[in-house]
Amino acid sequence: DTEVTQTPKHLVMGMTNKKSLKCEQHMGHRAMYWYKQKAKKPPELMFVYSYEKLSINESVPSRFSPECPNSSLLNLHLHALQPEDSALYLCASSQDGGQGRYEQYFGPGTRLTVT
Amino acid sequence: GQNIDQPTEMTATEGAIVQINCTYQTSGFNGLFWYQQHAGEAPTFLSYNVLDGLEEKGRFSSFLSRSKGYSYLLLKELQMKDSASYLCAVSRRPHMLTFGGGTRLMVKP
Repeated sequence: DTEVTQTPKHLVMGMTNKKSLKCEQHMGHRAMYWYKQKAKKPPELMFVYSYEKLSINESVPSRFSPECPNSSLLNLHLHALQPEDSALYLCASSQDGGQGRYEQYFGPGTRLTVT
Repeated sequence: GQNIDQPTEMTATEGAIVQINCTYQTSGFNGLFWYQQHAGEAPTFLSYNVLDGLEEKGRFSSFLSRSKGYSYLLLKELQMKDSASYLCAVSRRPHMLTFGGGTRLMVKP
């Protein structure tokens, strides 16, 4: 099983709403990631969890709040977003191999529209 | 700053060979990855290079020169389904991937 799943597939939310994006993997990977991808742009790293602990936060605004309840699950809680936050949000996972090779496996993404 | 440069677009003919170049200047280097991304889909892993030289995997090969800050992805026997964006990504340290802007490849009959 080399699959990363994400729900929902599409999400439309108002600027005052609170919503959550969910990500799951069953590959035994101990590193999980959130990326943001705008149209015709590359993915931009937002957060990294390693062994269920937040290890990298790329100066993401606090209206995005990540959570890693266990080694298979990753959530992204959204609150008071802006229209410019509309994008494809990608989750990824990888082995936590230190200096070794650790390709990231991406989920299909959640397409978020903020109105 | 981090610079990872790729051509924006390329066009090639079905059955031909195409080479997509990537140059990088980054603080830290822990390997270089190539990903393929079809429109509206997630990126999928193609190759990884951490030592200089050529890595071959079927119709796809990737080359790295660390001293030159240069990599290329070589696609042979192009098929229509190879039309996609190809993303060069540098790992500056474990877990930290920085992507280039991507190269949109169009394969024509």
